[in-house]
Amino acid sequence: ETGVTQSPTHLIKTRGQQVTLRCSSQSGHNTVSWYQQALGQGPQFIFQYYREEENGRGNFPPRFSGLQFPNYSSELNVNALELDDSALYLCASSLVGQDGYTFGSGTRLTVV
Amino acid sequence: GENVEQHPSTLSVQEGDSAVIKCTYSDSASNYFPWYKQELGKGPQLIIDIRSNVGEKKDQRIAVTLNKTAKHFSLHITETQPEDSAVYFCAATMNSGYSTLTFGKGTMLLVSP
Repeated sequence: ETGVTQSPTHLIKTRGQQVTLRCSSQSGHNTVSWYQQALGQGPQFIFQYYREEENGRGNFPPRFSGLQFPNYSSELNVNALELDDSALYLCASSLVGQDGYTFGSGTRLTVV
Repeated sequence: GENVEQHPSTLSVQEGDSAVIKCTYSDSASNYFPWYKQELGKGPQLIIDIRSNVGEKKDQRIAVTLNKTAKHFSLHITETQPEDSAVYFCAATMNSGYSTLTFGKGTMLLVSP
């Protein structure tokens, strides 16, 4: 079975720009979650998608938005980038009712 | 919401020693507790997990214990090896596969040869 793949692996953006990060779920999984991991910290929950709808959101402003597609892949969009948005963005997929969340290797976003 | 505390933040051991990392959680509704290992430049990798109806689980050199009453759980690594060096995260959730994971802040484990 394939794992979770994220693209791109690294990205440098200028403050105020917009960015889109992509995630392909592990085969058989139907839920996608996004996490932000600042340097030296644990991952912080951004939001989760199930059946193409957002069904949970952490303490992140509306300029963080997302999509889930019929094939369970997902996008994370961040508008009006701020310097503090610099972090590793992790995507995790899971299957409702089953234990286990599989994480991708992440996208390292640097905002300058 | 859930809050997970993890200790210690760094742990240095000699190869062959045991390592123990402890976590406490606040929400008694949490019922699934995974542990992740994160190596530099990589995403977290699940190494072991436990459900709230189980007190202990073991997989070769790794074991996890859970005390529901005290709301704490621990990771035990025996016979540590240099390749065990990484950052370890504990997490908790109340509805595995559907609810958000709340992570601890991580423990950097360094195993010296």
